Amino acid sequence: EAQVTQNPRYLITVTGKKLTVTCSQNMNHEYMSWYRQDPGLGLRQIYYSMNVEVTDKGDVPEGYKVSRKEKRNFPLILESPSPNQTSLYFCASSLHGNIQYFGAGTRLSVL
Amino acid sequence: SQQGEEDPQALSIQEGENATMNCSYKTSINNLQWYRQNSGRGLVHLILIRSNEREKHSGRLRVTLDTSKKSSSLLITASRAADTASYFCATDGDMRFGAGTRLTVKP
Repeated sequence: EAQVTQNPRYLITVTGKKLTVTCSQNMNHEYMSWYRQDPGLGLRQIYYSMNVEVTDKGDVPEGYKVSRKEKRNFPLILESPSPNQTSLYFCASSLHGNIQYFGAGTRLSVL
Repeated sequence: SQQGEEDPQALSIQEGENATMNCSYKTSINNLQWYRQNSGRGLVHLILIRSNEREKHSGRLRVTLDTSKKSSSLLITASRAADTASYFCATDGDMRFGAGTRLTVKP
């Protein structure tokens, strides 16, 4: 089944404790993106990648890192999480930057 | 900022009524997509309309595109409570979204 898999689905952590949210897609898509969604603000793009080893900043990249060592994986790294990074996070992939397929989301709380 | 902006921000209707939401964008496009998001879940692609198409149908969904006005509309006919969701538009190559239109369909 074609899908985008994010893990974990829920995460509670404390300020400053490094964490990684994984994202994997099985559709051989070139494009992958990370978004955060906060009430009233819609989805804001954090980082995107157009291919392996090619990543670029989105609209809200501060405090986040990504890597794209393999086509299927695009992990989101928070080196030192802060409470303002409490949010709902989505990973998405697309073949040519058109129709995007989304993961189920990761709800992160930073205390 | 993102290409697509949805309007209105919120829409509340009764079951059976039609719902219309709009999307405006800034630069020329090859296609425009509409997505739906149920509360707290990932977006799901609904329909894509190409720049050389003026109208497209899919079940109870009707999408129009006016490239001269840089706008699109999504019409949901005979709405159901299950249509309650947020709806977003996006354009080709711009993988970003606006705040969406939050549709509530009351039974």
